[in-house]
Amino acid sequence: DAGVIQSPRHEVTEMGQEVTLRCKPISGHDYLFWYRQTMMRGLELLIYFNNNVPIDDSGMPEDRFSAKMPNASFSTLKIQPSEPRDSAVYFCASSLAPGYTDTQYFGPGTRLTVL
Amino acid sequence: GENVEQHPSTLSVQEGDSAVIKCTYSDSASNYFPWYKQELGKRPQLIIDIRSNVGEKKDQRIAVTLNKTAKHFSLHITETQPEDSAVYFCAASKGDNQGGKLIFGQGTELSVKP
Repeated sequence: DAGVIQSPRHEVTEMGQEVTLRCKPISGHDYLFWYRQTMMRGLELLIYFNNNVPIDDSGMPEDRFSAKMPNASFSTLKIQPSEPRDSAVYFCASSLAPGYTDTQYFGPGTRLTVL
Repeated sequence: GENVEQHPSTLSVQEGDSAVIKCTYSDSASNYFPWYKQELGKRPQLIIDIRSNVGEKKDQRIAVTLNKTAKHFSLHITETQPEDSAVYFCAASKGDNQGGKLIFGQGTELSVKP
């Protein structure tokens, strides 16, 4: 199993530009999570999906952020327009349907720098 | 909503010593408590977890204890080695009821000095 795949691994953009981050969860995992990690705020859950349906987006910071999951094997997190304060590492994670364990497997992350 | 507090924020120990990291949670309905290790520039990876029907769990040099009454849980690392140096995150979840939504603590940066 290739694990959770994220692209790009690094993104440098200028303020005001649109940024799209991509994630492919582990095959068979029903849950997909998007996190943002910064030194100041730690690891924050932005949104999560169950069977491609958004369940909780209360962590999405503002309307500039949007996330979609058009099918079981692909999700995007979009920031439009981007701002310097959006600079962070964005992780995608996936897990099986809740059972005895809710282990989340993280992708390698996308390091976003907004100039 | 759930809130998870983690202490200390930094911890420095000598190789061979033990390290203890503590977390408290606010929601008594939480029933799943994983610990993740994140090495510099890498992704968080699960190292051990515990459910609320168990008071303690061990895996070689690491162990986790849970006190449901006090709503706190701890990570214990014995015989620390330099490769244990990393940031450790605790988390809490309500499991099935919330689809595995994890609330993370702020992290503890552990440094093991040779």
